[in-house]
Amino acid sequence: NAGVTQTPKFQVLKTGQSMTLQCAQDMNHNSMYWYRQDPGMGLRLIYYSASEGTTDKGEVPNGYNVSRLNKREFSLRLESAAPSQTSVYFCASRPIGGLAKNIQYFGAGTRLSVL
Amino acid sequence: DAKTTQPNSMESNEEEPVHLPCNHSTISGTDYIHWYRQLPSQGPEYVIHGLTSNVNNRMASLAIAEDRKSSTLILHRATLRDAAVYYCILLMDSSYKLIFGSGTRLLVRP
Repeated sequence: NAGVTQTPKFQVLKTGQSMTLQCAQDMNHNSMYWYRQDPGMGLRLIYYSASEGTTDKGEVPNGYNVSRLNKREFSLRLESAAPSQTSVYFCASRPIGGLAKNIQYFGAGTRLSVL
Repeated sequence: DAKTTQPNSMESNEEEPVHLPCNHSTISGTDYIHWYRQLPSQGPEYVIHGLTSNVNNRMASLAIAEDRKSSTLILHRATLRDAAVYYCILLMDSSYKLIFGSGTRLLVRP
């Protein structure tokens, strides 16, 4: 079972460069989420997509854009990377029905350094 | 969103029970109590959740105070693999957005 797959696992960028973090889930979940985690802190929500075709801002959306490409894929784009965006990024998905409707399933993360 | 308060760290011996406390004095009637844990260098994983009654699953037990202002995650026999940061999170049924605090770092001594 692949679950939630994130690519790449590691990335180093220079200030001002752009990149897209990819996330795909194979569990037929409707909702997907992007979080960032800075050292020693809990996760903070960047953007989420309640269903295919919809996206909404979370707690820390500035400097990011997202695309819900289809039901499986939810990408996070940094248009002009800044050192403050150095973090570990996690993608998650959630079913909207059934006994597991309140449970989020997380990927392994992308570790991003911006120099 | 209602806040939770957890100790920064706790220690336990291997194969002993562990009780991880969480205070949530401003919890509302529709807030579910969720626990996630994060093993080193991994994404968070769901542990257990409940609303009013105590809950058990294969990973842990969740004891909820009668007034719901506090709860305790119980690991019945800690193993080295249980060393992780444990997050107590309140989740409105209609919100589905997890608000993470800084959690409790559990150290398990062999």
